[in-house]
Amino acid sequence: DTEVTQTPKHLVMGMTNKKSLKCEQHMGHRAMYWYKQKAKKPPELMFVYSYEKLSINESVPSRFSPECPNSSLLNLHLHALQPEDSALYLCASSQVGSYNEQFFGPGTRLTVL
Amino acid sequence: SQQGEEDPQALSIQEGENATMNCSYKTSINNLQWYRQNSGRGLVHLILIRSNEREKHSGRLRVTLDTSKKSSSLLITASRAADTASYFCATDSSGGYNKLIFGAGTRLAVHP
Repeated sequence: DTEVTQTPKHLVMGMTNKKSLKCEQHMGHRAMYWYKQKAKKPPELMFVYSYEKLSINESVPSRFSPECPNSSLLNLHLHALQPEDSALYLCASSQVGSYNEQFFGPGTRLTVL
Repeated sequence: SQQGEEDPQALSIQEGENATMNCSYKTSINNLQWYRQNSGRGLVHLILIRSNEREKHSGRLRVTLDTSKKSSSLLITASRAADTASYFCATDSSGGYNKLIFGAGTRLAVHP
């Protein structure tokens, strides 16, 4: 199984809502990532988890809260988002360390009203 | 933050022609990877080239890396309509975290 799944595919939320994005992989990867991608722009790294511990936070606002409850799951909790946070949120996984390809999920298209 | 630039930003060719995309980056790297993205979907890994390698092939793909010029190129030979996608280079300078910084990307359109 070389698939990374993400739910939901689409999410519309108000600025006062709390929602969560979910990501799952069963490839035995111990590194997982969240990226944000605006239209016609490249993905921008948000967070890196290694062995279920947060290893990189790219100065992401606290209204985005990542969580890695186990080696297969990665969540992104959203609270009090702004309209400019509307984007495609991509999850990826890989073996830990450099020289490893990352496997991406299809993404969650988030719209903040 | 973007590591570098890709050119061209957009490329339109006919089926059967070759497509060349270039990527430049700013800092020393461990490796450089190329990914493809079909219209608003997830990215698919194409090829990884290490900093001590100069050229790598995979099927119809050929990647070169010139660390002295901090640049890489991706050549797709005998292109097909199914190659229509955005192509991104991504560099890892993180010393073990596999932290990828993506270039701006090239949008390739292959016409039948």
